[in-house]
Parts: sequence; C-alpha cells; structure tokens
Amino acid sequence: GAVVSQHPSWVICKSGTSVKIECRSLDFQATTMFWYRQFPKQSLMLMATSNEGSKATYEQGVEKDKFLINHASLTLSTLTVTSAHPEDSSFYICSARGLAAYNEQFFGPGTRLTVL
Amino acid sequence: AQSVTQLGSHVSVSEGALVLLRCNYSSSVPPYLFWYVQYPNQGLQLLLKYTSAATLVKGINGFEAEFKKSETSFHLTKPSAHMSDAAEYFCAVSAGNTDKLIFGTGTRLQVFP
Repeated sequence: GAVVSQHPSWVICKSGTSVKIECRSLDFQATTMFWYRQFPKQSLMLMATSNEGSKATYEQGVEKDKFLINHASLTLSTLTVTSAHPEDSSFYICSARGLAAYNEQFFGPGTRLTVL
Repeated sequence: AQSVTQLGSHVSVSEGALVLLRCNYSSSVPPYLFWYVQYPNQGLQLLLKYTSAATLVKGINGFEAEFKKSETSFHLTKPSAHMSDAAEYFCAVSAGNTDKLIFGTGTRLQVFP
C-alpha cells in the first residue's frame, strides 16, 4: 500500500527558532499534499494544501508567513514553522494524494512539536 | 459546504460487544465519506470509504459502515469488539470536486475486558 513518512517524529525547540518537518511519499507520486494540525484530544484541522510546483493554498486563519510550505517534488513536501512559539506546540500530520480516484489521502505518522 | 458531526466523544463497550460509532454529514454535493482510526501518537489509518458505489461498505479489521442518504448518516459498526479496537475514530467527508477532507471531532472507543 501507499506509504507516507514524516521526519522528524518529534522535535523540541526553543522559542524563536525555526523548525522544518518533512513529508515524503515513499512508493507513489503525490500530486497533492496536505498539512494538518491536531491539538491534544481534538480533531485534525487542515492548515494548507500544496500541489507540486505551485504555491500552497492556506486555510483561513493560518499564517502563511509563519507556516512555510514547499512542495518541490512529487515525493516531498516540507513545512517550516518559523519563529516558533509555545502556542505552536502541536501534532502536525501530513497526507499525500496521488493519481488514485476517490480523493483518498494517505497519512503520515505525524510529528510532535514542542516549543519551550 | 461540507460538515461532519460525530455523536458521542466517548464510547465504551465490553470485549465481544457490538461497536456503533455515529456519524452524520452535511454536504451540498454527493459526498465521499471516510472512517479513519488513530492510535496514540500516530497518524490516521483508513478503515473504509464510501464513494457512491455500494451503500454498505466493508473495511478492515471487521468494520463496516452503511451510507443512508435519507438519514444523512454513515455510522460505523463492528459486530464484536476486540481490545485492540481501542483508539480514536474519525469520520470525514469530502466533496466530489475538491480534495479537502473535513473531519469530525472524533470518538474515543474504549473496550473493557
């Protein structure tokens, strides 16, 4: 089946620093990748949608200058949290969609970000 | 616009009992509906999906769901719960012409021995 990986699986950083999270589709080409944020015991909230080679589309209320998304190839998308603050601490999950029908997305295992 | 409502943030059942997790949707276009399971500190795994074919959908791990248009529902069931079914379950809806998945708030399933 389709496999999506994320790296790192967890990261702790100091306030004010930037953190990059990678999302890779390992065995298929992902034309579209999605980034979600999940607070403890809550649902997933879509942050942005990125298509390979074009700018990401951000959901309302998500700061595009703070959460930089790059989808440079059909197998890699990155999310960079710039100038991180404690309120950015969360579980970030990516998903990838290839050319399969029915809008199916394959999810990565998530990245736990803790900002001190 | 699409939305999903999951009734019951927590459901507890005994091992071997029927599992019923409720999901109601709202969609202005024919929906695609999904159930995902999430184990602690992990991503989401697709259990099953409805994509306008058969209304009774069978998924992995013995789960199934029935699409009922008249009730705008897509409830998830399993005849006999297993301890390993304890997890968070999310219902999601997607419109036919977009890629966005709209998630419900989730239902935590506890299974007691």
